[in-house]
Parts: sequence; C-alpha cells; structure tokens
Amino acid sequence: DVKVTQSSRYLVKRTGEKVFLECVQDMDHENMFWYRQDPGLGLRLIYFSYDVKMKEKGDIPEGYSVSREKKERFSLILESASTNQTSMYLCASSLPQGANEQFFGPGTRLTVL
Amino acid sequence: AQSVTQPDIHITVSEGASLELRCNYSYGATPYLFWYVQSPGQGLQLLLKYFSGDTLVQGIKGFEAEFKRSQSSFNLRKPSVHWSDAAEYFCAVGPSGGYQKVTFGTGTKLQVIP
Repeated sequence: DVKVTQSSRYLVKRTGEKVFLECVQDMDHENMFWYRQDPGLGLRLIYFSYDVKMKEKGDIPEGYSVSREKKERFSLILESASTNQTSMYLCASSLPQGANEQFFGPGTRLTVL
Repeated sequence: AQSVTQPDIHITVSEGASLELRCNYSYGATPYLFWYVQSPGQGLQLLLKYFSGDTLVQGIKGFEAEFKRSQSSFNLRKPSVHWSDAAEYFCAVGPSGGYQKVTFGTGTKLQVIP
C-alpha cells in the first residue's frame, strides 16, 4: 500500500520558533509538494521539489523554506513561525510526467501561539 | 493563468439522493482535470481524472464526471449518495509552468442527512 507519512498530526509552537515539518514517501516518486490548506482558500502550493536538492517556489513561499536531501524525504521549514502560519499543512508526491495523480499525507495541523 | 471555480461551498443531500458537484475551469489548452475527496482528518484521495478520450470518466466509490469543453466544466456526479460520502471535494486542473503545477479549487463540503 503506497504511503505518504507526515511526522506530526498536530503541532503547537510559539511565535518566533523554528518549525520543521517532515514528509516521507515510499513510492520512489520524483515529485514532492508542500501545500497549506485554509478554509475557503483550498490548497495553495508553498514549494515543490522535482528531484533531490532541487526545489521551486510555489504560490506562497514567503516565510517558508524546504529541504530535500534524500529522494523519499521532503521537509518544510518555518524559519520564524508567526500566527498567520497557523494552518493545515499537506505533503504530496507524484511521478514526474505530466500532471500525474498526487498522493497525499494525512496533514499536520500547526497552531502558532 | 489556469484557475478552478467550485461555486458551491456547502451542499446538503439526503442519503440515497443523487449528487452533482460543480467545477468550472480556465485553461489555455486541453486540460488535465481531477477530482479529489478529503474525509475528515485525512489527506486527499483521487476519485477520478480526465486526460483525453471519452468525456465521461468513471472513478472510485461510484463517482463519475463529465468533461464539457464548451462549458469549461467538469462536474462530479453520483446517482445515490451514501452517508460515508460526507467529505470535502476538490476539483483540480493542470498542468502548467515548468514544474507541472496543478491548481486546486476551494472545495465543496458535502453533508449527507439520513
């Protein structure tokens, strides 16, 4: 059974903290994505990676960075968390060709106090 | 730029009734179109996708969708809704850009009443 796992389901952090969200996929997919999901706004792409050590900015990269040191792992980093980064964060992976199906993790609900 | 509109934020249907969720897209060429479902507390799961060919696409869980190029629509349908279908549904269109971006709609939340 294919799987995308995220390190935490729920996370509470304080303003100014550095936050790491981890995502691991076991499907040997080249593409990995980080989205944030907010009510009424749907899914918005933060960052995308198409290969190890490769990354592209999505629609809302400000305040975030990413790391992909291994093919199966894609990390989202909030350098200095702010309250407006309170959200649901979803990781996904896919094959590289065309617009293939994305496989999603269960999400991490982050609250920044 | 590509975009997706899901005009219904919430829909309530009775169990056993038929369902249609609307999706309109804007895209410069022949699009790839997707419907995903998100059950409470879960990530998104693909229901069905359209790339080319037959404009009526069958998916999992008894869902189907019809691509209508003239109306720029890709509406999701189910003839008889089950209580377990209560979830949020997302339409998506792509790809575009150098990294094959897929754009998601804002979602439609489905409530099923007994």
